[in-house]
Amino acid sequence: GESVGLHLPTLSVQEGDNSIINCAYSNSASDYFIWYKQESGKGPQFIIDIRSNMDKRQGQRVTVLLNKTVKHLSLQIAATQPGDSAVYFCAENFGNEKLTFGTGTRLTIIP
Amino acid sequence: GAGVSQSPRYKVAKRGQDVALRCDPISGHVSLFWYQQALGQGPEFLTYFQNEAQLDKSGLPSDRFFAERPEGSVSTLKIQRTQQEDSAVYLCASSVAGPSYEQYFGPGTRLTVT
Repeated sequence: GESVGLHLPTLSVQEGDNSIINCAYSNSASDYFIWYKQESGKGPQFIIDIRSNMDKRQGQRVTVLLNKTVKHLSLQIAATQPGDSAVYFCAENFGNEKLTFGTGTRLTIIP
Repeated sequence: GAGVSQSPRYKVAKRGQDVALRCDPISGHVSLFWYQQALGQGPEFLTYFQNEAQLDKSGLPSDRFFAERPEGSVSTLKIQRTQQEDSAVYLCASSVAGPSYEQYFGPGTRLTVT
């Protein structure tokens, strides 16, 4: 079987609790940040994005916070559900065509 | 509606063989991207098309890798003389236009070189 993510940072959260996934980025010129969710055997799925002129953006059950001072991005998932179990990637865009992805965090929801 | 599709989903190649991976983007999407995802890693950019023009191929790891999108729709990523280090998932993504628009990813092709 597939053994994906043996070296990924992991986060285990009780169902119903809130999750916070963190990401550090390196390029201060990045102007667009995106969080993706990737389930086993599937491609990354867009969750939420934020532009560099913003500090916070909210979606349905998700909030992204951007701290440009320390080059830190976080994804907060409220009231986690079993379907939230996946690998989460942050990605940054420098205003060109490329997305540069982080290494990912595996989120496991404990029933 | 239909998303990005990729074929084949799985490909096993003997070292030295050539492979061709296909991507069908979402209809009307101008931009098309290829990424390589090694086991346990995030996707890494390979190349980018706007319509039929290949605007950036800086991520292609060697001259064994070649991508095309001749009619501005379907794209093919070709790898010649495959090596074991080419084993990875190859992801295709498309977007409406420009780099800051949401990229929609296909399910990927898992390539295993033996």
